[in-house]
Amino acid sequence: KAGVTQTPRYLIKTRGQQVTLSCSPISGHRSVSWYQQTPGQGLQFLFEYFSETQRNKGNFPGRFSGRQFSNSRSEMNVSTLELGDSALYLCASSLVELYNEQFFGPGTRLTVL
Amino acid sequence: GIQVEQSPPDLILQEGANSTLRCNFSDSVNNLQWFHQNPWGQLINLFYIPSGTKQNGRLSATTVATERYSLLYISSSQTTDSGVYFCAVTTSGTYKYIFGTGTRLKVLA
Repeated sequence: KAGVTQTPRYLIKTRGQQVTLSCSPISGHRSVSWYQQTPGQGLQFLFEYFSETQRNKGNFPGRFSGRQFSNSRSEMNVSTLELGDSALYLCASSLVELYNEQFFGPGTRLTVL
Repeated sequence: GIQVEQSPPDLILQEGANSTLRCNFSDSVNNLQWFHQNPWGQLINLFYIPSGTKQNGRLSATTVATERYSLLYISSSQTTDSGVYFCAVTTSGTYKYIFGTGTRLKVLA
């Protein structure tokens, strides 16, 4: 069974631009979560989706948004990029809901210049 | 919100040595996972262990939920064990994992 996939793997953007990251969960998994990892803040929760509904959102500004499609694939969008948005963005999926083992994708490394 | 603390923050070992990594959490948890983050950033699942004890080869883990801590044991360490180890927990009513600050392990040949 294929694991969680994320595209693109690497991305370079400039301040003020917007970016869309994609995540395909493990087949059959319906919960998708997103995390941001930076050297200073560690791993921080962004949001979680289950059956196309956002159930929880972390403490991030409204520039960070996401959605989930009917096939459970998820996208996250960051608008008006700032230098501080440079980070590794990780997506995780779990079988039914978040009260299950999570499996992570390889991440998207975003650099904002 | 719940606080998750890991210790030690850094650990250097000689190959073949044993180690114990600790994860303390400040509230009751529904789920607990241990991960190993490799140099490329990938989080590798080690254990899903909300309670009890599990073993997988040279690694084992114990979670004592009533006392709010979990331990990860690494025996006969190898250089490939180097990396950062994270524990992550969820609490009732939330739909998010909270990660600890990690333990950075370096195993010397």
